[in-house]
Amino acid sequence: DARVTQTPRDKVTEMGQEVTMRCQPILGHNTVFWYRQTMMQGLELLAYFRNRAPLDDSGMPKDRFSAEMPDATLATLKIQPSEPRDSAVYFCASGLVRGHLNTGELFFGEGSRLTVL
Amino acid sequence: QKEVEQNSGPLSVPEGAIASLNCTYSDRGSQSFFWYRQYSGKSPELIMSIYSNGDKEDGRFTAQLNKASQYVSLLIRDSQPSDSATYLCAVNGNTNAGKSTFGDGTTLTVKP
Repeated sequence: DARVTQTPRDKVTEMGQEVTMRCQPILGHNTVFWYRQTMMQGLELLAYFRNRAPLDDSGMPKDRFSAEMPDATLATLKIQPSEPRDSAVYFCASGLVRGHLNTGELFFGEGSRLTVL
Repeated sequence: QKEVEQNSGPLSVPEGAIASLNCTYSDRGSQSFFWYRQYSGKSPELIMSIYSNGDKEDGRFTAQLNKASQYVSLLIRDSQPSDSATYLCAVNGNTNAGKSTFGDGTTLTVKP
């Protein structure tokens, strides 16, 4: 059963601490997205990768957030230092884009719920 | 103006009725349109995709697209309590990037 796997599912940390979230996309998918969801802002795109190369991270606060894809089976989102306003659910999603066949269908992981105290 | 707009609701319909969910978008060059369902505390799940003008039916769900009006809708026939969820409209622009912009969602409640 192919699915996107995210860890941790829940994380409570104190302001100033480093947080790393991990995502394993569906095997064979070439595009990986990081979204953040809050009640106030809805689903916001933070960053995304195609074939492991970063395409757009304009939605991400650059001073504290970083996203990487060290290999095809792992994407990471790091926050350092964390702040209370970072509290949200962070979703990873993967999809397959092939040439002109831009379906854009996304498959989401279960999310990482982050609480920064 | 948001890129993708939806009525936030809540939308309440009785069991067995038709639920109609609407979405407008600002990028006239948008190519792909999606509806995701998100149960409380869960992740979004793709339920419908549509790429050309007209209607697309899948079981009790019908997606409708009108690119001239920049409008996409989702109809749920014979609504069931299990359809109670937040429905997110997502739109992909005219670049080959697969990047979706989401609306804020419409919360649907189906009352038995």
